[in-house]
Amino acid sequence: SQQGEEDPQALSIQEGENATMNCSYKTSINNLQWYRQNSGRGLVHLILIRSNEREKHSGRLRVTLDTSKKSSSLLITASRAADTASYFCATNSGYSTLTFGKGTMLLVSP
Amino acid sequence: GAVVSQHPSWVICKSGTSVKIECRSLDFQATTMFWYRQFPKQSLMLMATSNEGSKATYEQGVEKDKFLINHASLTLSTLTVTSAHPEDSSFYICSAGGGREVGLTEAFFGQGTRLTVV
Repeated sequence: SQQGEEDPQALSIQEGENATMNCSYKTSINNLQWYRQNSGRGLVHLILIRSNEREKHSGRLRVTLDTSKKSSSLLITASRAADTASYFCATNSGYSTLTFGKGTMLLVSP
Repeated sequence: GAVVSQHPSWVICKSGTSVKIECRSLDFQATTMFWYRQFPKQSLMLMATSNEGSKATYEQGVEKDKFLINHASLTLSTLTVTSAHPEDSSFYICSAGGGREVGLTEAFFGQGTRLTVV
């Protein structure tokens, strides 16, 4: 069964704006990962945040994790048209097994 | 990062035929590979976990005889869709992890294979 639930399901913004996507999960985790998928393509790993971390940055990406609420957020600052893609959170509860959420489709208009 | 190559990228086959999809880890040894299936605009659903040299572990609801998985070496896993039907049309993605050169908690994905059964 799916672990993560992202919201919103779809997000449409203008270039330069920030995009925030949220993910909620149900069981305890070792870490939570965010992936990006361009239409009809494979997944690209963006960032991993461990269960004992609360916030992590990578370039224009900022991820937070609240294990008490079992939720995470992905913030993309100063969005670009090239950021248009689907974004998935995935939880890892051991080894390399990942459980994916339903994803958020992000559309960034020029 | 580590590279996982999946082949073919897309395939069209006739109903009743079998299709083999390959997943290779190019620059690391993957003791474990994962096969996912993704329907349009939906999430990835784990189908099975394959470990080198042993039988694959299938998720509930996935037919073992329908989706044959072979993980004969540390760099290659194959998924064969047997007697394919139109409802098997989907996007299949593999990922690899668990090798000594790769962190146990990060997975690397192939490009995916778009299967269309006509």
